[in-house]
Amino acid sequence: AQKVTQTQTSISVVEKTTVTMDCVYETRDSSYFLFWYKQTASGEIVFLIRQDSYKKENATVGHYSLNFQKPKSSIGLIITATQIEDSAVYFCAMREGTGGYKVVFGSGTRLLVSP
Amino acid sequence: EAAVTQSPRNKVTVTGGNVTLSCRQTNSHNYMYWYRQDTGHGLRLIHYSYGAGNLQIGDVPDGYKATRTTQEDFFLLLELASPSQTSLYFCASSDAWTGGSYEQYFGPGTRLTVL
Repeated sequence: AQKVTQTQTSISVVEKTTVTMDCVYETRDSSYFLFWYKQTASGEIVFLIRQDSYKKENATVGHYSLNFQKPKSSIGLIITATQIEDSAVYFCAMREGTGGYKVVFGSGTRLLVSP
Repeated sequence: EAAVTQSPRNKVTVTGGNVTLSCRQTNSHNYMYWYRQDTGHGLRLIHYSYGAGNLQIGDVPDGYKATRTTQEDFFLLLELASPSQTSLYFCASSDAWTGGSYEQYFGPGTRLTVL
């Protein structure tokens, strides 16, 4: 069964620094899709970035990038030049490529960015 | 802009009561999902569907029924609500066709309290 694990429950950083959030996953599929989402203080959940398993190049969107290490089943989220408004809970998620289109999430990492 | 709405936004019921949570998406997406969010557990998948009349079982389905009446509407039913079902419920939709973007769009959530 597919599983996503985020072991960091919370991280605190100073504004304008770089932070990495960890995520490991389990799947038997050779094809899968990995996502990161952000939940703001208001509760809104928004999509940030995605990595397709067959792509070797790490995805990048704005100041978000991924560190995809397929042999380690790991997909880290890197936020560069953090801003106060990056303070939120970040979720890692996975959808397997074959059958079902089930999407499962990790337990989330709370990021606090301070001045 | 993709849109997912949920109603009600807040609901209080008593143990043994019947509750229906509603979700509507105007994205023309095939897939819809129901998650519950509890502290320490992240988002846990209850049920999901790939079209009208279809229902797939998620990871925490006990005590929940769901029905997809149209492509737009997905309902979550709690027929004998229990205090353990007190939670924040999110609905999401996604496009799952080849070439389409696979990320999920989330509704604003429904906070359910079972006394």
